[in-house]
Order: sequence, then C-alpha cells, then structure tokens
Amino acid sequence: DAKTTQPPSMDCAEGRAANLPCNHSTISGNEYVYWYRQIHSQGPQYIIHGLKNNETNEMASLIITEDRKSSTLILPHATLRDTAVYYCIVRGAPRFTGGGNKLTFGTGTQLKVEL
Amino acid sequence: GAGVSQSPSNKVTEKGKDVELRCDPISGHTALYWYRQSLGQGLEFLIYFQGNSAPDKSGLPSDRFSAERTGGSVSTLTIQRTQQEDSAVYLCASSLVVLTSGRADTQYFGPGTRLTVL
Repeated sequence: DAKTTQPPSMDCAEGRAANLPCNHSTISGNEYVYWYRQIHSQGPQYIIHGLKNNETNEMASLIITEDRKSSTLILPHATLRDTAVYYCIVRGAPRFTGGGNKLTFGTGTQLKVEL
Repeated sequence: GAGVSQSPSNKVTEKGKDVELRCDPISGHTALYWYRQSLGQGLEFLIYFQGNSAPDKSGLPSDRFSAERTGGSVSTLTIQRTQQEDSAVYLCASSLVVLTSGRADTQYFGPGTRLTVL
C-alpha cells in the first residue's frame, strides 16, 4: 500500500472548517484513499473514503486532486468533539492472501479544535 | 447496537496468566481483524479471518497468541502466559469483503479491550 504523509498537528477554531491534507504521491490506480480518526482512548472511527471523485457524507468531505497524489479531508464546522488524531490511509481492494487486507496507520495528524 | 462490540473493556491480569478477549463483529460481516495498540504507538496487525478460509496469522507476535472465529461470527483472541509487554489495547474490526468486486472494504472498529499485565 502507498505511503502517506500528513502534518503532525493542526489547530482549528470551533465552528470553522478544518482542512486536513494528505500526500500520497505513490498511489496506484486501484488504490483508495481512506480517512479514519481516533479520539483518545477509543477505537478508530471510519470517516470517509474515495477513489477518484470527491466524496461527501454526514461527517466530512474528501477532495482528491486530479492526479490523485494528494487529498484533503474537510470537516465543515469543527466542534470540540472533533479533536482527535486523523489518519489518511491508501489501500487497495482486499486480497485474501497475506496481510494485504490489514490497515496500516501512520502517525496521523493531531487536530485540536479550540474555542 | 449494530457496531462491533468487545469484552471485557478492561482486563488486569498477573504475569504468566492466560487471558481471553472476545469480539462480536457487525452481523453479516465476512471479515474480522485483530489489532493491538501499545501506549502512544500505531496499530499493529495481528490476525485476519475471511469467511471459512484459513486465517492470516502473519501478525501474531509469538506462539503465545492465538485466535479463533467460531461459526463465522464471534472471535476470541487468547494470550497464554501473559508478559508485561503484552499490555496494550486490543482492537477488533470487521468488514464486508467481496473479493470478486475489486472494491475496497471498510473496516469498522470496536471500542477495544485494554489489557494490563502486572
């Protein structure tokens, strides 16, 4: 799976949009971009994923550049409860053999939402 | 209550004892994963079950670790003769995998079991 690069930390004012970038310059054509977050002492929470097109759900929007080498997760109106570590993961479709189906979390971005 | 559940939420044990951790995946999910996360560290893959196929055990750190998944649903992770370095949060995730679809699956995580070995 392709390696991702994220800033170690970001701050955001409550009510503002939080834009979290991710670089994945070695992504291949059949690999998806996934975002998870982990709030302190909880299990990782799925947020959104996409392949080529931008995606939006009730939690966030995912903007993927045309060359697919980077993406941005957007939390449109950040709240204090969005304070967490956000992980960008690039991953292909599952293959049965080997550990290829596992998720590999990097160090992520620590987002701190403040009043 | 359609999410992944795990029990117990916390487990404190003495070095050398055996422990069993349980995971109830989302109903209908074909794949089940175990990970562990040591304090301040990232997720470490342990084992993966897919349907009725033999599990991928490539992440198990030693032969003291084993897991089974009965009836394609509930899974138990067993750690024998626990050591202090086994202290971590053990996370279970499940997903609906359709291997022929070519589509990525989304893994949903449980809340984890915090294991402390004294």
